[in-house]
Amino acid sequence: AQSVTQLDSQVPVFEEAPVELRCNYSSSVSVYLFWYVQYPNQGLQLLLKYLSGSTLVKGINGFEAEFNKSQTSFHLRKPSVHISDTAEYFCAVSVDYGGSQGNLIFGKGTKLSVKP
Amino acid sequence: DAGVTQSPTHLIKTRGQQVTLRCSPKSGHDTVSWYQQALGQGPQFIFQYYEEEERQRGNFPDRFSGHQYPNYSSELNVNALLLGDSALYLCASSLSRGNQPQHFGDGTRLSIL
Repeated sequence: AQSVTQLDSQVPVFEEAPVELRCNYSSSVSVYLFWYVQYPNQGLQLLLKYLSGSTLVKGINGFEAEFNKSQTSFHLRKPSVHISDTAEYFCAVSVDYGGSQGNLIFGKGTKLSVKP
Repeated sequence: DAGVTQSPTHLIKTRGQQVTLRCSPKSGHDTVSWYQQALGQGPQFIFQYYEEEERQRGNFPDRFSGHQYPNYSSELNVNALLLGDSALYLCASSLSRGNQPQHFGDGTRLSIL
């Protein structure tokens, strides 16, 4: 079985500062890794994904994440945050299911609060 | 190009009632998954439909059932509602091949009184 741990439930940060949101996973098989963002009263929007290849993945809105297999981590980073980045961020994993994605297993989320 | 659409956006029910939530997938997608997101939690997988069959199921009781139609749209049905069923129900669609990511709708907020 797979599981995801997001180590910080809340991360406050000042505008234009860098931020890192931490994610660790557990799995006995190879997984695909994702970060989603959820703004208030909305669904989830895909920020970035790691399927294979380069371990540094770039996503939308200036976010990037690095897959570290030995540490089973997939931390999300942004060098300079904006007020508009205030949202909840979810790390998720899935396994291959007959050539397509299986179900997503989510962490509990990290609330990023960007202050002026 | 419309994304994933869900209806209704909000719903209030009482304990013991039954509810049906609806989802239209993103154009070109053939797989629909449903998730339950309780307040302050990450989404939890309920089940996934492909070719009108339930392909995968999470750890949810039989009170939760679904259906997928030939046009790929889907319904989630919950019987004998409990207070603990209050949550945001998210539908996600994807393409069944090529490891394509799941795209989410804005969800249906279900409140049980």
